[in-house]
Amino acid sequence: QKEVEQNSGPLSVPEGAIASLNCTYSDRGSQSFFWYRQYSGKSPELIMFIYSNGDKEDGRFTAQLNKASQYVSLLIRDSQPSDSATYLCALRHDGNQFYFGTGTSLTVIP
Amino acid sequence: GAVVSQHPSWVICKSGTSVKIECRSLDFQATTMFWYRQFPKQSLMLMATSNEGSKATYEQGVEKDKFLINHASLTLSTLTVTSAHPEDSSFYICSAIHLSHEQFFGPGTRLTVL
Repeated sequence: QKEVEQNSGPLSVPEGAIASLNCTYSDRGSQSFFWYRQYSGKSPELIMFIYSNGDKEDGRFTAQLNKASQYVSLLIRDSQPSDSATYLCALRHDGNQFYFGTGTSLTVIP
Repeated sequence: GAVVSQHPSWVICKSGTSVKIECRSLDFQATTMFWYRQFPKQSLMLMATSNEGSKATYEQGVEKDKFLINHASLTLSTLTVTSAHPEDSSFYICSAIHLSHEQFFGPGTRLTVL
């Protein structure tokens, strides 16, 4: 069983809409959770991290964590074509062990 | 966020030669750095965990004699691809762990072996 599961997509949303990206994980001992954005041909870029249940907002991005249901999500409000990328979900265990999902491809249609 | 650099960004080499890639944390010290490889349209693949002052820990299936990792200081880790072959052509990405436990990635090194 994979540690981190993401729907590979592709997910398409119109410009200005809300994009919702979801991730589930298997280990309840996971301590913190990260969302990365990766443009084609580039390395991943950290968008947000979250470690407490609930929502965390940063500009147009909101990360949501539900430890009881073992899922973490990323909402992108007012989606822009420049948000088109692959979004990677990652979690951290003790000892700096990180596990990445395979990523969800998002396309924002102008 | 914290800054991680990699050098070189691009490298083209002949088959059989060795290539060294440097990864530096520019504004923080990192006791742990990771090395990843990514083939086109595929996921990140963790190759090894590099800990300052100790031997790297390699993932299953990664040849430690082929991919030499040296974490000589708290801001520098190097990956040397020895006797490179065309199948080693890939996008190599390093990352460093900040004190906050966030993982920051370098910009990557694209290796092409002719």
